[in-house]
Formats: sequence, C-alpha cells, structure tokens
Amino acid sequence: AQTVTQSQPEMSVQEAETVTLSCTYDTSENNYYLFWYKQPPSRQMILVIRQEAYKQQNATENRFSVNFQKAAKSFSLKISDSQLGDTAMYFCAFMKEYGNKLVFGAGTILRVKS
Amino acid sequence: GAGVSQTPSNKVTEKGKYVELRCDPISGHTALYWYRQSLGQGPEFLIYFQGTGAADDSGLPNDRFFAVRPEGSVSTLKIQRTERGDSAVYLCASSPGTGLEGANVLTFGAGSRLTVL
Repeated sequence: AQTVTQSQPEMSVQEAETVTLSCTYDTSENNYYLFWYKQPPSRQMILVIRQEAYKQQNATENRFSVNFQKAAKSFSLKISDSQLGDTAMYFCAFMKEYGNKLVFGAGTILRVKS
Repeated sequence: GAGVSQTPSNKVTEKGKYVELRCDPISGHTALYWYRQSLGQGPEFLIYFQGTGAADDSGLPNDRFFAVRPEGSVSTLKIQRTERGDSAVYLCASSPGTGLEGANVLTFGAGSRLTVL
C-alpha cells in the first residue's frame, strides 16, 4: 500500500518570501502521479500542481513549483512570493498510474504573515 | 454545473439516525469519488463510481455506509445508524473519467460537514 508523509504540521512565512513544504511517499510502483492540493477555510480542495513520475522535469505553475526526487521518493512544494491568500492547509497526494484513488498526507498548515 | 456541488453544507444529527449526503458532479464527468476527512487529517478514500456502477468501494468502513449513482450523474452517500465516530467532512469529487487527458485530476466540492451528537 502507498503512504504519504508530510512531516511539517505547521509552517509560517512572511509575505513575499519563499517557503518549501515537504512530502515523502512510499510506493513500489514505477509510474504514478503526485499532487499538491490547497484547502482554504472554505473546505474546497483546489489543485495546485501535478507531476507525472515518468517526467524528469519538475512541474511549475506560476509561483508554485515542485522538487521531485524519484529515487528519494520526495516531492516538495516551493511557493515563491508568498501572498496572504496562500494561507491554507496543503495536502500532498499520490495516485497510481491507472489508479482511481488519491492517497493523501496529513497536511501542512501554511500561514502567510503580513 | 460549473463545479461540484454538495448538499447539505452542514448536517447535525443524533446518534442512531439515518443521513443522506448529496453530490452533483461537473456535467459530463463520468467518474465520481467520495472521501471522508476527519478533523486534522487528510481525506480518506471511500468509494469510486465510473458511470452508474461502484467500481471500487474498498474504502467504505462498514455496511452502515452505502452510496448510489443511479443515472450516472448525481450521487448520494447514505449512512445508517450514525455513530459519533462518523462525524467528519464528506468530500465529493469528479473527473472526466479513465483514459482521458486529465482523468486523474479530481475537482472537489466544498464538502458536507456531518456532526453526530
């Protein structure tokens, strides 16, 4: 079975600064997908970024980028130029290549301070 | 619809009662998922529908939980004889379905918060 571990329960960052959220996972699969989801107080899970394991190039979406280290089974999220609206719970998640279920980590609360 | 809609947003019930939670997915999405999120934890998979059929119900915790999707669109999660431990946010998500670009990109609703007293 796959597991996802987020070792940082809470993080804080000053507005406009950069922060990195950690995620490690365990799987015997060779091909899979990794995701970062954001969950603000409204409860709705919003997809931040997605990475295909067979792609060596790290995914980027505007201020959000990942550092994907397949051998180390590590998938960290970097948020540049942090904004107050980035304050939320962030979840790392895993899905097998032809799977149908996401396996989530326990989440990291990110607080952006002005 | 434009997004995944879930009703009710909040539900308070008494132990032993029956509860139904509704999910209206994005129009045209054939795949529908239910997840349960307990306080302070990540969501946990409950059940997955492809069309009208439950393709994977391995996450349902026991036989008090049941879900249907009779016409391949709206889905209802049904919980019988509710217990205090069922208190959680129940999230629904949909996706375009297998074999398509973005099939593994789930769009979530805002969830239904269930409180069992």
